[in-house]
Amino acid sequence: GENVEQHPSTLSVQEGDSAVIKCTYSDSASNYFPWYKQELGKGPQLIIDIRSNVGEKKDQRIAVTLNKTAKHFSLHITETQPEDSAVYFCAPPPTNSGYSTLTFGKGTMLLVSP
Amino acid sequence: SAVISQKPSRDICQRGTSLTIQCQVDSQVTMMFWYRQQPGQSLTLIATANQGSEATYESGFVIDKFPISRPNLTFSTLTVSNMSPEDSSIYLCSVDDETGRTYNEQFFGPGTRLTVL
Repeated sequence: GENVEQHPSTLSVQEGDSAVIKCTYSDSASNYFPWYKQELGKGPQLIIDIRSNVGEKKDQRIAVTLNKTAKHFSLHITETQPEDSAVYFCAPPPTNSGYSTLTFGKGTMLLVSP
Repeated sequence: SAVISQKPSRDICQRGTSLTIQCQVDSQVTMMFWYRQQPGQSLTLIATANQGSEATYESGFVIDKFPISRPNLTFSTLTVSNMSPEDSSIYLCSVDDETGRTYNEQFFGPGTRLTVL
């Protein structure tokens, strides 16, 4: 299976600052790297993902970077806003699962202060 | 995309009883997943439910404790049996967007918050 470590567990920033969350995985054959955002009282929602054939992907204020050699990928949020406050999970699926199961990291609670 | 609803949204139950959670999807999907999220914790996969076959359970979860039904391509139920306070969690169902690629986005329901006294 996939061992996933996510850091930091909590992150407090001022509005407008940048936030970076890092996820380390163990399965060198992994080729799909998603990030999910969970707001209070809701289920997680995919915000960005990257496949192993690229090193970086950007969508407006959100970006994901991948370092396959070091087996980690990171979520970058620029110009943070209060509505970015949520718990963020990386969830790389294990390659031996046979289907689209996800292995969730422990989560990072991001708090953006106005 | 898929829109998922769950019932009930929350419940408070007595130990030793059972609760059945319903998950309804607005489109037909092959695979549905059930997760548990203990308070302040991450999500742990309980089982994968395919229509027409028995659910596949992850290590640490058994059918006697968490029986699952999947009668059609838009609906599934998860029962939490003989509950104890340790079963107090949020239970979430999800579906795969089934684009045909190897790994796909999963869509999650809002969750069922269960408290066992």
